[in-house]
Order: sequence, then structure tokens, then C-alpha cells
Amino acid sequence: AQSVTQLGSHVSVSEGALVLLRCNYSSSVPPYLFWYVQYPNQGLQLLLKYTTGATLVKGINGFEAEFKKSETSFHLTKPSAHMSDAAEYFCAVISSNDYKLSFGAGTTVTVRA
Amino acid sequence: KAGVTQTPRYLIKTRGQQVTLSCSPISGHRSVSWYQQTPGQGLQFLFEYFSETQRNKGNFPGRFSGRQFSNSRSEMNVSTLELGDSALYLCASSLADEQFFGPGTRLTVL
Repeated sequence: AQSVTQLGSHVSVSEGALVLLRCNYSSSVPPYLFWYVQYPNQGLQLLLKYTTGATLVKGINGFEAEFKKSETSFHLTKPSAHMSDAAEYFCAVISSNDYKLSFGAGTTVTVRA
Repeated sequence: KAGVTQTPRYLIKTRGQQVTLSCSPISGHRSVSWYQQTPGQGLQFLFEYFSETQRNKGNFPGRFSGRQFSNSRSEMNVSTLELGDSALYLCASSLADEQFFGPGTRLTVL
């Protein structure tokens, strides 16, 4: 079975500051890892994904994440926060022999002007 | 290409009633998954359908059921509604490893 743990349910950053959201996974088989963003009253939008290959993955809106197998981590970063980044972010895992996403509890990001 | 659509967007029901939610996947996508999102439990997998067959199921009671039609459209049904069924129900369609989500149906049970 696979699972993810997101450290920190709320993160507050200043506009222009680094955004760092932490995600650790547990999987018995090579995982596929995802970061999704959810704006109020909307569905989930994919930011980026890791399946195989390059461990540093670039996504939309300036976000990137690095897959570190030795640390079982897939942390999400953005060098400079923008007001529009205020949302809830979910890390998710799917195993290569399964089709159901297992989500973390989510991290709410607020951006201070 | 049109995204995943879900109808209705909002629904209010009373305890004991039943409800049917609909999901139209992206054209060409044969897999449809359903998730329940609540403040307390977060995002939980309900079930996944592929080519009209349920391929995966989460840990929900039998009151939650679903089906998929030959055109890949899917419905989920909840019978004998309970207050705790109030949630945002999200549908996602996929072609391979990436799932594309609809806007969800907000169900309120009174």
C-alpha cells in the first residue's frame, strides 16, 4: 500500500519569498508522485508529476519538485511566491500497479503582501 | 478539448434520500475515478471504472455505488443519505497515469 504525509497543514509566506511544501511518501513499489493545487470551490489542478527519469520535475506556475528516493521525499518549491499562489496543495501517490490516488492531508498556503 | 464535467454542481438532500451524481470524462479517456473530499477526512478514493467495469474500490459502505456507460460517462449513487455524506464529490478521468479532475459536486445533507 502507498501513502503520503504532508508536513504542515498551513504555511504562510510573504510575497516574493520562497515557498516550500514538504511531502514524504511510502510505497512498496516504484511510486508515481503528483502535486495538485485546489482553489476555493474548484476541483484539483495538476501542478507537476514524477513517474520515471529526471528527478527534478518542473511544473506550471513556476513550481518544481525533486524526487529523492533515499529520503522518500517529493517536496514542492517555488522561488518567489505570488498572491495568486494562495490555495490548498495536495501531494499524491499512485503505485505503478494500481490506479487509485492516495492523497496527503493538504497544505493551505497563504501569501502576505 | 473540453475538460471533465460534473452535474449537478450543488445539491441539497435530506437524510434517508438517495442521490445520483454524473461525470462526463474528457473525450477518449476510458478510466473514471471518484473521490470524496471532506474537511475531516480529506480526499478519499471511492472507486474507479474502466471500460464499464469497476477496477478498484475504496473503503466505503455499500450505500455508495457507481457505474460506467459505454460512452465512458459515469454515475455514482448514494442511497440512504446520512449527515456525514455531506462533502465535495470529485470525479477524475485519465488516459494513462495522470488524472484530470472535474469541478466537483457539492452535496449537502440536511
